Amino acid sequence: SAVISQKPSRDICQRGTSLTIQCQVDSQVTMMFWYRQQPGQSLTLIATANQGSEATYESGFVIDKFPISRPNLTFSTLTVSNMSPEDSSIYLCSVEDPPKEQFFGPGTRLTVL
Amino acid sequence: AQKVTQAQTEISVVEKEDVTLDCVYETRDTTYYLFWYKQPPSGELVFLIRRNSFDEQNEISGRYSWNFQKSTSSFNFTITASQVVDSAVYFCALSEVYNQGGKLIFGQGTELSVKP
Repeated sequence: SAVISQKPSRDICQRGTSLTIQCQVDSQVTMMFWYRQQPGQSLTLIATANQGSEATYESGFVIDKFPISRPNLTFSTLTVSNMSPEDSSIYLCSVEDPPKEQFFGPGTRLTVL
Repeated sequence: AQKVTQAQTEISVVEKEDVTLDCVYETRDTTYYLFWYKQPPSGELVFLIRRNSFDEQNEISGRYSWNFQKSTSSFNFTITASQVVDSAVYFCALSEVYNQGGKLIFGQGTELSVKP
């Protein structure tokens, strides 16, 4: 399976600022996803990161709040914009490799003060 | 609509006990995949198993076994002779093949605590 890394692993941010999270995969993959895990909760899909086109967002998530880039088949970024304490979560990227087997990165623990 | 239910929020056992984690799912698709993931305190999500809807054979991997029953829409996970290192949150998840583009629907998770 692909090896996935995320940066940063954790961060503490001030309200109103933005944070960009990077996801790097060691091989080319077609499908990349971004999930959010709020404290003590399950995981929820934010969006599918599409290479060369706009991301596909799930209901309740919008591009202005969570802009995503996918410049190539091994890299994606998720930005959490204009943060509030409610954005404190673990953000995880995942990839499908091989097809229909989804593996996750180590996650980014975000705390917003 | 698709849904995954893990009714057990927390389970506590003593080391060497067997423990079963329940997972019930809902889907209108005939083709789908079911998954189990382990999330230790470090937060990383560890892939354990994927099962497709056409394969109802039970699977065993070391101390882990999975029981898939389409008739009851369940995909239960058993740990035999539990160990302290098994302490984690376990998530069951569903992926529908045709309409969701790989999206995983997660259950709420079961927190397993194995005491020495």
